[in-house]
Amino acid sequence: GAVVSQHPSWVICKSGTSVKIECRSLDFQATTMFWYRQFPKQSLMLMATSNEGSKATYEQGVEKDKFLINHASLTLSTLTVTSAHPEDSSFYICSATLGVGRYEQYFGPGTRLTVT
Amino acid sequence: AQTVTQSQPEMSVQEAETVTLSCTYDTSESDYYLFWYKQPPSRQMILVIRQEAYKQQNATENRFSVNFQKAAKSFSLKISDSQLGDAAMYFCAYRIITGANSKLTFGKGITLSVRP
Repeated sequence: GAVVSQHPSWVICKSGTSVKIECRSLDFQATTMFWYRQFPKQSLMLMATSNEGSKATYEQGVEKDKFLINHASLTLSTLTVTSAHPEDSSFYICSATLGVGRYEQYFGPGTRLTVT
Repeated sequence: AQTVTQSQPEMSVQEAETVTLSCTYDTSESDYYLFWYKQPPSRQMILVIRQEAYKQQNATENRFSVNFQKAAKSFSLKISDSQLGDAAMYFCAYRIITGANSKLTFGKGITLSVRP
């Protein structure tokens, strides 16, 4: 099956610094990637949808300047949390789709971000 | 807007018994997919089963089956012969069929515990 990886799996950063999370589709080309945020024991909240070579589409209430998403190639999307604060601590999950008409959405293993 | 409702936050089942997880949804679309995802303690999202709305036959995957009632907008998951490894958080999700950018809408999830 299609595999999506995320790096790092866990990152600790100091308040005010920026951190980048990578999402890669390892054995397929992902036309669309999604970024989610998940708090403990809660559901996944969609943050943004990104297409290769295009600007990401952010969900209402998500700060575009704080959560920078870049989908530079068909196998890589990055999420940069800028000027991170403790309230940004969360679990971030990416997923990818194969293309138009394909229902499958493949999820990465997630990245735990802790801001101290 | 589409909504997915999982009204039970937690359930418990005895090993080898059967358990049913409930899900209702609201949509004005006629063509869509419904999914059940499993999120074990590792937090990796795993697709359990999917159902295309245009199919009348209920989907089945080994010990997992669904009861899809389109008119009632109900989509419950039945787990037969429950195993300890079934303990996880389960999310019901909805997605319209058209477009690679179409988003998954998740329910709040239900935590399933399995008693040995």
